[in-house]
Amino acid sequence: SQQGEEDPQALSIQEGENATMNCSYKTSINNLQWYRQNSGRGLVHLILIRSNEREKHSGRLRVTLDTSKKSSSLLITASRAADTASYFCATDPSNAGGTSYGKLTFGQGTILTVHP
Amino acid sequence: EAGVAQSPRYKIIEKRQSVAFWCNPISGHATLYWYQQILGQGPKLLIQFQNNGVVDDSQLPKDRFSAERLKGVDSTLKIQPAKLEDSAVYLCASSLTSLRVQNPTGELFFGEGSRLTVL
Repeated sequence: SQQGEEDPQALSIQEGENATMNCSYKTSINNLQWYRQNSGRGLVHLILIRSNEREKHSGRLRVTLDTSKKSSSLLITASRAADTASYFCATDPSNAGGTSYGKLTFGQGTILTVHP
Repeated sequence: EAGVAQSPRYKIIEKRQSVAFWCNPISGHATLYWYQQILGQGPKLLIQFQNNGVVDDSQLPKDRFSAERLKGVDSTLKIQPAKLEDSAVYLCASSLTSLRVQNPTGELFFGEGSRLTVL
């Protein structure tokens, strides 16, 4: 089964609003990554947060990580129609010592629609 | 910098036929991945190469799927014979370093994918 589970499965908002997507996972991780996929295209890396980090920013993106709850959230502020895409979290599982198993596992994704 | 190249972009075959997909990763990227993405789902790892060696092929259906990365550069994924449930997008990705280090960068670069329809 997939390591990461995104919530909600689909999100529809108006341009200018903020979009929040959540990801839960089951095992210890070395890092967690978020990717975007436009329809019919490949995935594009957005941001990576390591297991010892709690929050990270990149432009209009804000990612948080709570390893005690095994969850992460991606916030897109001031959304634009061009943000319409599927968003996936991906986890890099590790052992208790933090060593990566070298296997990036993706969740099912959240479909975001931003209406102009 | 050129991205990950994949071909063909689209392929339609009948069940029990064979198909091959090609991938050329970003120059200098040691690690190459093949993922299968079924419509409405996230990508599922099929096989991971480090240079020309297989790191993980635990989820590759070896009775019908095979992959190789000769000379540690480009790679080919083959399906023979194809089944209806193999209809999916096959994504190739590469990364500069292996994920098997304590503090990896870990970013994957994806190609546009090869969409397979099995009738």
